[in-house]
Amino acid sequence: AQSVTQLGSHVSVSEGALVLLRCNYSSSVPPYLFWYVQYPNQGLQLLLKYTSAATLVKGINGFEAEFKKSETSFHLTKPSAHMSDAAEYFCAVTYRGMNTGNQFYFGTGTSLTVIP
Amino acid sequence: NAGVTQTPKFQVLKTGQSMTLQCAQDMNHEYMSWYRQDPGMGLRLIHYSVGAGITDQGEVPNGYNVSRSTTEDFPLRLLSAAPSQTSVYFCASRRSLGANTGELFFGEGSRLTVL
Repeated sequence: AQSVTQLGSHVSVSEGALVLLRCNYSSSVPPYLFWYVQYPNQGLQLLLKYTSAATLVKGINGFEAEFKKSETSFHLTKPSAHMSDAAEYFCAVTYRGMNTGNQFYFGTGTSLTVIP
Repeated sequence: NAGVTQTPKFQVLKTGQSMTLQCAQDMNHEYMSWYRQDPGMGLRLIHYSVGAGITDQGEVPNGYNVSRSTTEDFPLRLLSAAPSQTSVYFCASRRSLGANTGELFFGEGSRLTVL
């Protein structure tokens, strides 16, 4: 079965501290992986995506993620948190070569709080 | 370029009423989908479509109908609303299935309350 697990439904960091949001996937085939951000009362916006090129992916707003096949992980990081980073973050996975609608599977989300 | 547009943004229904959530995209995307978002459960796929005239069920299809008569539009119908359908609904689209790397583009959501 294909699935995504986000460890920690709530994460708090101080402004200027490292942000680390965890995502692990379960897959029997090579995945494509995505991180989305959702600000209050808005839709989801793409932060970054891994599509089998470089394993270290850089996204918008200073975020990056590293695909680690051996650990089946795609953790999201940012060196220095900003107040504007406070939001809900979702990890998602889809798979290569599927023809059944190329469905995306989403994690349950991590709410990031940034403490001034 | 509007992207994915959903209407209405807010709706309150009584149990048993029916309604349609509208979704339109102007990116010529073949794939369109509907998700519901509930606290602690992430996004769950309701229905999806891989092109005009083609729809299929997702993870939680019961109580919802969809149709796809044009590439641009993908309405979601609630047949007889129930309190369990209180949720935030998102429409999302992506480009051709041949480009498996394409990300989903989301609308801003429709917040539905069923009393």
